[in-house]
Amino acid sequence: AQSVSQHNHHVILSEAASLELGCNYSYGGTVNLFWYVQYPGQHLQLLLKYFSGDPLVKGIKGFEAEFIKSKFSFNLRKPSVQWSDTAEYFCAVNARGTYKYIFGTGTRLKVLA
Amino acid sequence: DAGVIQSPRHEVTEMGQEVTLRCKPISGHDYLFWYRQTMMRGLELLIYFNNNVPIDDSGMPEDRFSAKMPNASFSTLKIQPSEPRDSAVYFCASSLGDSTNEKLFFGSGTQLSVL
Repeated sequence: AQSVSQHNHHVILSEAASLELGCNYSYGGTVNLFWYVQYPGQHLQLLLKYFSGDPLVKGIKGFEAEFIKSKFSFNLRKPSVQWSDTAEYFCAVNARGTYKYIFGTGTRLKVLA
Repeated sequence: DAGVIQSPRHEVTEMGQEVTLRCKPISGHDYLFWYRQTMMRGLELLIYFNNNVPIDDSGMPEDRFSAKMPNASFSTLKIQPSEPRDSAVYFCASSLGDSTNEKLFFGSGTQLSVL
């Protein structure tokens, strides 16, 4: 069965600091990988996704993530965070060919102005 | 499109009562998902449907939980009887089922409090 681990439950950063949120998954086959974000008072929305090809994927608002197959990881990064990045971030995976999305427990990011 | 619509937004009930949560997916989407969000467990997949048929309900916690999708535009998640530990935010999501451009669209959630 698939599972997703997010190591940081709460992260507090100052504006302009760099961000890296860890995500590891457990599954023996080919997967699709996602990061979703939930801004305060808003719906969960897609930040970026990886299906195949270049393992470094870029999403909205300057976020990027790198798929490292050997480490079963899909870490999210942003070189310089802004106050508006305060949100909860979820890593998700589904096995290729299925639509069963499994989410991690989420990371709450607070950016101090 | 109005997006995925869930109702009610908030539900407060007493232990033992029946609770019904409702969801209207985006028109044309073939997949519908029910998730539960808690601080401890994050987003847990409860059940998902494809073309109104339940595909995987292995995440449904116990027999008190049931979900139906009588047609392509409506789904319900029912808890009977409800317990305080069911308190959580319940999300519905839908997707097109396009393997080349797949993503989930979430509703705004139902905040359930069982007293």
